[in-house]
Amino acid sequence: EAEVAQSPRYKITEKSQAVAFWCDPISGHATLYWYRQILGQGPELLVQFQDESVVDDSQLPKDRFSAERLKGVDSTLKIQPAELGDSAMYLCASSDGQGLNTEAFFGQGTRLTVV
Amino acid sequence: AQSVTQPDIHITVSEGASLELRCNYSYGATPYLFWYVQSPGQGLQLLLKYFSGDTLVQGIKGFEAEFKRSQSSFNLRKPSVHWSDAAEYFCAVGSTDSWGKFQFGAGTQVVVTP
Repeated sequence: EAEVAQSPRYKITEKSQAVAFWCDPISGHATLYWYRQILGQGPELLVQFQDESVVDDSQLPKDRFSAERLKGVDSTLKIQPAELGDSAMYLCASSDGQGLNTEAFFGQGTRLTVV
Repeated sequence: AQSVTQPDIHITVSEGASLELRCNYSYGATPYLFWYVQSPGQGLQLLLKYFSGDTLVQGIKGFEAEFKRSQSSFNLRKPSVHWSDAAEYFCAVGSTDSWGKFQFGAGTQVVVTP
């Protein structure tokens, strides 16, 4: 069964260091999303891609976060420098369109701990 | 602005008992509503979704949800819970312009006791 792949599963980093997460969506899915889930809260959308273009990054803290999807397939989310408050689960999701019979599929996430 | 409220942070239920999780939404138009489940350390799995039509929606794992426009609610139910239903459950409102773009509630943690 096709799934959204994310790596690493877990990451511990010191504050002020750089960290990056990778997501490989389901093959053929044009739309890709990065969500951040702070412990005890629901996921919040950080950025949305349509193919290689950013569609919505209004909630992305652009002073330290960046995201790219250069070839419209896999994507990287980067934080530089990391802060203690960035500790969270980072979830990637993908979907193949806007029809009512489609669905967004989530990866297992990357758990980031900033120390 | 759209929003989702899950009033219950934590629910404990005995195995075999019924379960109901509450969800209230605020949305200007007809909402697309979803319930997702998240097991510890895992991603989100879609349980069911509502767009229009029949207000009682059947999902996977024996779950169902009922859309009540007058109450702005979309409560999730299961007649008889299993120990494997212990997880966190999220209600979400979807965007009409982009699949996968959600406003999530804060979640309800479900604990199942023997």
